Amino acid sequence: DTGVSQDPRHKITKRGQNVTFRCDPISEHNRLYWYRQTLGQGPEFLTYFQNEAQLEKSRLLSDRFSAERPKGSFSTLEIQRTEQGDSAMYLCASSPVGWKGRGVGELFFGEGSRLTVL
Amino acid sequence: KQEVTQIPAALSVPEGENLVLNCSFTDSAIYNLQWFRQDPGKGLTSLLLIQSSQREQTSGRLNASLDKSSGRSTLYIAASQPGDSATYLCAVERLTGGGNKLTFGTGTQLKVEL
Repeated sequence: DTGVSQDPRHKITKRGQNVTFRCDPISEHNRLYWYRQTLGQGPEFLTYFQNEAQLEKSRLLSDRFSAERPKGSFSTLEIQRTEQGDSAMYLCASSPVGWKGRGVGELFFGEGSRLTVL
Repeated sequence: KQEVTQIPAALSVPEGENLVLNCSFTDSAIYNLQWFRQDPGKGLTSLLLIQSSQREQTSGRLNASLDKSSGRSTLYIAASQPGDSATYLCAVERLTGGGNKLTFGTGTQLKVEL
């Protein structure tokens, strides 16, 4: 399978615990995005990388959240001291360089990692 | 701040019907607009991408139009099938200020019945 893969698909944790999600993008895509989606809502942008550089972070990404893409390939999203409000689907997406070198271009999403904080 | 609205929030139609989903956005300074499909508990699948200089895109039974000046896009689905049942989301990318990020609507949940 050459699509975007995310692991784990489901995570149930107790409040206060740390969780980490992994995303493997499509291999030739140099842009990687993290979005969060709550029930009945559209995805909300969290952060994005171009290669290993994290170029933008949303205000939604509090200091309990950290994302890395150490070698410009896979990425991890860690949530420390989880809260019930962190319960959501965490979506990863990747894209090639957009049209004329900018823009999102077509976005390819993974299946998501669903987090439930008890 | 860009806001994206989708109407209706939910739609149920009999198989074979042609249907239109609507998307509106408040800031017309967009770079492109995309339509996505999302099945329950799954990720998003890109259906159509319209650059701001384009008026429409077609793929199979799907046709998406874009009117930047009025801040609207429509997704037309011809001869709907039960397999089209899903949530359809539109998203816009802003033109300036960097970001390379999409602002999504809340989606239209479509059910096509036999």
